[in-house]
Amino acid sequence: NAGVTQTPKFQVLKTGQSMTLQCAQDMNHNSMYWYRQDPGMGLRLIYYSASEGTTDKGEVPNGYNVSRLNKREFSLRLESAAPSQTSVYFCASSDYGQRETQYFGPGTRLLVL
Amino acid sequence: GNSVTQMEGPVTLSEEAFLTINCTYTATGYPSLFWYVQYPGEGLQLLLKATKADDKGSNKGFEATYRKETTSFHLEKGSVQVSDSAVYFCALNPAGNNRLAFGKGNQVVVIP
Repeated sequence: NAGVTQTPKFQVLKTGQSMTLQCAQDMNHNSMYWYRQDPGMGLRLIYYSASEGTTDKGEVPNGYNVSRLNKREFSLRLESAAPSQTSVYFCASSDYGQRETQYFGPGTRLLVL
Repeated sequence: GNSVTQMEGPVTLSEEAFLTINCTYTATGYPSLFWYVQYPGEGLQLLLKATKADDKGSNKGFEATYRKETTSFHLEKGSVQVSDSAVYFCALNPAGNNRLAFGKGNQVVVIP
């Protein structure tokens, strides 16, 4: 099992460009999440998908959109990148339920110039 | 709302020293509590968890006890190794949903 995979590993964008971060999991999990990690801020939830076909906003959704393509894949799109979106982005997945552990991907490091 | 507070600042200690990282939380209901570890250049890995009051989570020599009366989940290890150098995050999973709330993390540096 690969677990949670993310592409790309690293990306440089210019302000105003768009891009999509890809995430896939092979653990048959129902729920998937996108977080961003900034120095001194911990991880903050951007969007999540409790199950296939549903998505909901997290703590910091502005400037992002998501698509739950199927049970395995959950993508995060930046339509018009801004320097404030420079961050490390992590995707995670879990079975549905309060007590379930979330499993994280290796992250995508994004630099917006 | 739900929140997690970790002690400020990095932690530097010598090999074989005792490690404590404090974590306190605010939540409604009965959350699950987690410690995640992040090694350099990697994603987060679950270190241990506890799902109800007085539960003790343990893994790789690390321990933490879910203390409802003090709303705490402090991480401890009796004898750290250089390989324990990493960033440690405390997190809670609130009752009723899976929206984890993370603390800001603590960088731990273990010196040989």
